[in-house]
Amino acid sequence: DVKVTQSSRYLVKRTGEKVFLECVQDMDHENMFWYRQDPGLGLRLIYFSYDVKMKEKGDIPEGYSVSREKKERFSLILESASTNQTSMYLCASRRNGGAANEKLFFGSGTQLSVL
Amino acid sequence: DQQVKQNSPSLSVQEGRISILNCDYTNSMFDYFLWYKKYPAEGPTFLISISSIKDKNEDGRFTVFLNKSAKHLSLHIVPSQPGDSAVYFCAASPNTGNQFYFGTGTSLTVIP
Repeated sequence: DVKVTQSSRYLVKRTGEKVFLECVQDMDHENMFWYRQDPGLGLRLIYFSYDVKMKEKGDIPEGYSVSREKKERFSLILESASTNQTSMYLCASRRNGGAANEKLFFGSGTQLSVL
Repeated sequence: DQQVKQNSPSLSVQEGRISILNCDYTNSMFDYFLWYKKYPAEGPTFLISISSIKDKNEDGRFTVFLNKSAKHLSLHIVPSQPGDSAVYFCAASPNTGNQFYFGTGTSLTVIP
């Protein structure tokens, strides 16, 4: 089974701090994604990466950046955390194929609180 | 603009009865659809999927129906069990590209 591991389940940070959320997958997947989940808004895509050192903006990239130096690891960076970035952050990965029928595998999520 | 919509934020069903969760989409380029189930403080887990070349896919107690002309899909759970209580997200993907588009979720409560 695919394992997507997020380094922290819960994180509390202060406004203005730089925050790193780490995600590692063990199935050699090319594609990796960062979503945030908020009540009533569902899952919204922040950034995704289809290969090492490649990244694409999702629907809500403002205030975030990402890093993909190795295939198995995809990091989400909050440059200067703000209270409106308090959310559940979900990492996901999938195999690349161009075809749509490769499902996403999710990590357990990181609940980030920015005070 | 929300391309995938789940208009019912919540649903309550008696144990043993049928649960029907609905999802609508606007983009005619979507041709692969998935349902994910999410428990609190956990990541979503894949439940069932359907390709646009089909109108029905069944896996045990779970059946997904796709009506392409109406741009509508539904998830049927029969019989519903208390362990099915979770938030259900539908998602859609076009044939090209890597992005999935998620609905806002429906919180299902199965009452024992």
